[in-house]
Amino acid sequence: QLQLQESGPGLVKPSETLSLLCNVSGGSITDNAYYWGWIRQPPGKGLEWIGSIYYSGSTYYKPSLKSRLTISVDTPKNQLSLRLTSVTAADTAIYYCVRHPGKWIIFKSWGQGILVSVSS
Amino acid sequence: DIVLTQSPDSLAVSLGEWATINCKSSQSILYSSNRKNYVAWYQQKPGRPPKLLISWASSRESGVPDRFSGSGSGTDFTLTISGLQAEDVAVYYCQQYYSAPYTFGQGTKLEIK
Repeated sequence: QLQLQESGPGLVKPSETLSLLCNVSGGSITDNAYYWGWIRQPPGKGLEWIGSIYYSGSTYYKPSLKSRLTISVDTPKNQLSLRLTSVTAADTAIYYCVRHPGKWIIFKSWGQGILVSVSS
Repeated sequence: DIVLTQSPDSLAVSLGEWATINCKSSQSILYSSNRKNYVAWYQQKPGRPPKLLISWASSRESGVPDRFSGSGSGTDFTLTISGLQAEDVAVYYCQQYYSAPYTFGQGTKLEIK
């Protein structure tokens, strides 16, 4: 059974870089049927798709975040990563690792999420 | 970006009654070539990630109780829960996958009256 587990620091200072990992188990990140991505949710608020990546490295990002965002995969480690630079308090959120079919962006598989707070 | 507006923001329904949640899209999310509506519904319980309930506007995921149903086309969609049960208390979101960026409605909080 597929499991997605996010990890990373729970606190990041303003203007610094937020870096998260998602460990994929029970499935291969090189499965050519799927893309992998990130969704975030500010505490008590709604959901925001951030971006997705195919194991080959092909990415697509939310345009408003594109200049600060990098999503990558480490296929030997079966991991997905997110890097968001120049963070502000507005980036405080629960970050979820997700998997979706390549053609249709329907989020069937989710990690448990990790809360990242941006504060000095 | 396609904006999805859900209504109401919250509702309270008695056990065993029906709950109806609406989702209106700022543009049609019906793909003309395949006549499919690119909308999904999710359920999120406190402290948990969202769970996919319905895709393609009306196709229930495996294991989702049949009291959950989706309907609608074009710009107007509805999630209906018939015979509300206590475990249905959650926030419900619609999501469009018609075009990037893939957006969600603001959520509807469902409570027991």
